[in-house]
Amino acid sequence: GAGVSQSPSNKVTEKGKDVELRCDPISGHTALYWYRQSLGQGLEFLIYFQGNSAPDKSGLPSDRFSAERTGGSVSTLTIQRTQQEDSAVYLCASSLVASPSAALSGELFFGEGSRLTVL
Amino acid sequence: GIQVEQSPPDLILQEGANSTLRCNFSDSVNNLQWFHQNPWGQLINLFYIPSGTKQNGRLSATTVATERYSLLYISSSQTTDSGVYFCAAQLNDMRFGAGTRLTVKP
Repeated sequence: GAGVSQSPSNKVTEKGKDVELRCDPISGHTALYWYRQSLGQGLEFLIYFQGNSAPDKSGLPSDRFSAERTGGSVSTLTIQRTQQEDSAVYLCASSLVASPSAALSGELFFGEGSRLTVL
Repeated sequence: GIQVEQSPPDLILQEGANSTLRCNFSDSVNNLQWFHQNPWGQLINLFYIPSGTKQNGRLSATTVATERYSLLYISSSQTTDSGVYFCAAQLNDMRFGAGTRLTVKP
């Protein structure tokens, strides 16, 4: 697609429910990132995927969080047994490569985010 | 991961003034970007600048990778420049600073 697409744009759920957030990166981009932004705060790194390599999961805050990237394209972030502190905007970004060089850009492009509210 | 620090955390300017925002990072990087987050939360790419200097209209940026810092210059500021400016640096994954919140008053 022309840009990074995320869905849903807004999600309201009850505490304890599972949620899935979807990210469709820019076509041809091999690197995909998930971030979380709480109200008035900066961007917290969650996880990133680079091609067929094992993902870097070092930013996931607990084992309730997981992410998959199928076929090297679309990614799904899953939060199990949601808690109120999970309320935030979840942002996805993609780049051509994760290890840029003079020939290959690592510039990140963001989607508009999925706003999650846990009641 | 790499540590990214931005200063100042908050900045209030009168329209027409110039400003400099700073980004320090803790390690060598292969990617450095500046973003503007508008009041609706959208992250706008300003500069992709792992090294050197770039200019785009009233904005310019310089990254001195060997000294581990980058600067964003805003000249003749306008009220539409208000928002949060983020610096992000990458060695492996991409890490963000806490941002500089800029308010430009008419």
